[in-house]
Amino acid sequence: RKEVEQDPGPFNVPEGATVAFNCTYSNSASQSFFWYRQDCRKEPKLLMSVYSSGNEDGRFTAQLNRASQYISLLIRDSKLSDSATYLCVVNGDTGTASKLTFGTGTRLQVTL
Amino acid sequence: NAGVTQTPKFQVLKTGQSMTLQCAQDMNHNSMYWYRQDPGMGLRLIYYSASEGTTDKGEVPNGYNVSRLNKREFSLRLESAAPSQTSVYFCASSLSPGTSGRSYNEQFFGPGTRLTVL
Repeated sequence: RKEVEQDPGPFNVPEGATVAFNCTYSNSASQSFFWYRQDCRKEPKLLMSVYSSGNEDGRFTAQLNRASQYISLLIRDSKLSDSATYLCVVNGDTGTASKLTFGTGTRLQVTL
Repeated sequence: NAGVTQTPKFQVLKTGQSMTLQCAQDMNHNSMYWYRQDPGMGLRLIYYSASEGTTDKGEVPNGYNVSRLNKREFSLRLESAAPSQTSVYFCASSLSPGTSGRSYNEQFFGPGTRLTVL
């Protein structure tokens, strides 16, 4: 079983739609959770951290369910500029370096 | 601030050749990382350096060596390149936990090096 598993893509949605991505992780000792965004042929960039209580940043909402080892990302009112690959990322390391485990990503294509 | 910079952006090697990928950050981060990204595999950690003077193996270290030259620079060396090392290589950096115990986990990535080994 992969340490971090994500929905297979691509997700093709019209502009204005709401889309949700899911992710599961296998290490129950994982400490921190993130969503990164990666545009085509670019580097990953942090989209948002995911907190136990759930958190929202504009049109983006992230949820964490530790009991089910499940993370989600909801994007409301999708924009063309949201087209990218979304990486679910988990940090299980409590040491001094932030060792992250990346999912393979879910590709989102927003169309007119 | 330039953030994390990597050189070169593209490289083509023949099997058996050697090369060094350079990475530098100007954010005064303590920790630095090298990843490779292959289709369908996600990013995989090759080596990391928790702080200046230390390096440790990640998930896929075979065929690579690293040097943490100073706090700013972390290089990745391929001694004898193989076609299986064809990939996109990303360098990243992050703050390490401070004395307050807070864990700074956000990693900032460089633009990547696209390496092809023939």
